[in-house]
Amino acid sequence: GENVEQHPSTLSVQEGDSAVIKCTYSDSASNYFPWYKQELGKRPQLIIDIRSNVGEKKDQRIAVTLNKTAKHFSLHITETQPEDSAVYFCAANTGGFKTIFGAGTRLFVKA
Amino acid sequence: NAGVTQTPKFRILKIGQSMTLQCAQDMNHNYMYWYRQDPGMGLKLIYYSVGAGITDKGEVPNGYNVSRSTTEDFPLRLELAAPSQTSVYFCASSYLGQGDEKLFFGSGTQLSVL
Repeated sequence: GENVEQHPSTLSVQEGDSAVIKCTYSDSASNYFPWYKQELGKRPQLIIDIRSNVGEKKDQRIAVTLNKTAKHFSLHITETQPEDSAVYFCAANTGGFKTIFGAGTRLFVKA
Repeated sequence: NAGVTQTPKFRILKIGQSMTLQCAQDMNHNYMYWYRQDPGMGLKLIYYSVGAGITDKGEVPNGYNVSRSTTEDFPLRLELAAPSQTSVYFCASSYLGQGDEKLFFGSGTQLSVL
């Protein structure tokens, strides 16, 4: 089955810097790649997603890139702010009911 | 709309006890899911349901049972609780269940088995 690996597990950046989180997946049939943000003690919430027919997608300060050949995708956050501090999860789905999540990256943005 | 509502928020169980985690959604979503989140780990799918009366196993179903008698409700039952079931449990729902749409999560239930 699908396996999603996520790196790094912890990331600390200075406010205003960029943050990059990388994920790899194993199942070449995966075609949907969402990213969820989970603030401390809160529920995960979708922040951006990308489908396999697209190489890059942007939404204000966040962007996601997908390399299907290498089977990896990344989340880029520019001009980081303290409110970006959270745990970020990547995930992959082959089009069925099983969304497989990475282990998460805890992002700290230092003011 | 309340979205996805989970109860209770916290619970402590003794080994061998049983309990039911409640989940309800008011968004008329067909598909509902139960995930568990262990510290430092991602979300693991326990069970899912594609509609009333239909449920199926996810990645880690052992020790759990579910039922789906209505579109709105999807309770998760723990029988004979074990310390390995100490985790945060999230219920989620989605509209199409085709895998390429947003999951809406509940606020979670933090369960400790001692």
